[in-house]
This record gives sequence, structure tokens and C-alpha cells, in this order.
Amino acid sequence: KAGVTQTPRYLIKTRGQQVTLSCSPISGHRSVSWYQQTPGQGLQFLFEYFSETQRNKGNFPGRFSGRQFSNSRSEMNVSTLELGDSALYLCASKDQGPSYGYTFGSGTRLTVV
Amino acid sequence: AQSVTQLGSHVSVSEGALVLLRCNYSSSVPPYLFWYVQYPNQGLQLLLKYTSAATLVKGINGFEAEFKKSETSFHLTKPSAHMSDAAEYFCAVSDRVLTGGGNKLTFGTGTQLKVEL
Repeated sequence: KAGVTQTPRYLIKTRGQQVTLSCSPISGHRSVSWYQQTPGQGLQFLFEYFSETQRNKGNFPGRFSGRQFSNSRSEMNVSTLELGDSALYLCASKDQGPSYGYTFGSGTRLTVV
Repeated sequence: AQSVTQLGSHVSVSEGALVLLRCNYSSSVPPYLFWYVQYPNQGLQLLLKYTSAATLVKGINGFEAEFKKSETSFHLTKPSAHMSDAAEYFCAVSDRVLTGGGNKLTFGTGTQLKVEL
């Protein structure tokens, strides 16, 4: 089985711009979550989608949004980028049921300048 | 709210020595617990998980962890460290019950493991 694929791997954007990150989960996985990783804040939960519905949302401003398509692929969008949005954004997918562990992608490294 | 605490942001061991990475959780009911490893410029790789089937859980790469409810701990161990074990390790907790709100992972702050010759 192919793993979780995130594109692009690296991205450089300017303050005020917006960005869209993409995630293709493992085939058959309908749950997709997004996490932000920074040296200062560590790993923080952004949101989780299941069958195109957002089931859970972390404590991030409304500039951060996401969606999931019928094929379970997911995108997250950050509008009006700030320097503090520079981070590694990780996508993870899992099979149904809370006992299954999430499988993570390699992440998208976003740098805001 | 659930949380995990990882004691020691940096741990250094000699090659061949025991690896012990500590994780304590805070939850009103026994949660699901996970250990992940992250190599530089990589995502997170699942090492092992506790879902109540057995308190001693064996994972990949020779790692194992023991769930101790009385101590609210889930420490990660490996009998003999290898140079390739040098990485950052994260303990994470998830709700046991799917309340309809989804199952997010709450991570600890991570422990950087250094393996010396």
C-alpha cells in the first residue's frame, strides 16, 4: 500500500499570501487529520475530517481551513499568511475506530517570508 | 482534557545501553496511547500503541512499552541502543471513546534521543 502523500514537500510564501496544501491518504482510510509542528509549540492538532465532514477542530484562527473530497483526499488552506505560520504541516490518515494508529505523511515545510 | 508529559527533552545513551524514554498521561479514563518516532525532515512513524489488549506492548525496531495504570505511565524502552535509533520520540494520547467528535492525538513535547559510540 502506498503511504500518505503530501504535496508539495517545501513551500516558500510571502506574508499576506494564501497557501493550499494537499494530502492523499492511504487507500481505504477515510479519516484524515492535520497537525502543525513548530519548535516552539510542538505538535498541535488542526482538524480532522471523516467522510468529507469535519469532526474535530483545534484551537487555530479561522485563517486555517480544510476540506475533504469524496475520494478522501484532503486539502488545508491558510489565508493571509503570517511569519508565525512557518511550520511543518503533517497530514495523517487512519482506518476506522479510535484504536488504530495514525499513519503520517512526510509533511509540507512552509516558510513564510 | 487529556495530556501527556514526557520527562527529559534530551536523553543520551551509549550504543548498546538500555533506552528508557518516559511518558506519563493524564486522563479520566484509560486512553489509547501511542509512541511515534521522527527522523530529521521526516514525518512521524508509529512505533507501537496501547489499546488495552495487553499492558506490555511490543513495537517495531525492538522497542516496547508497558502501560501502568497505577502510575499513569507508558514508558518506552529498548534493551540495546543502536546508532540508528537517534531521533525524536513522541508520546501521544487519544480518546478511548468515539464521542462523535473525532479522535485527535495530543502529543507530548518530544524527547530527542542521542546515541553515542
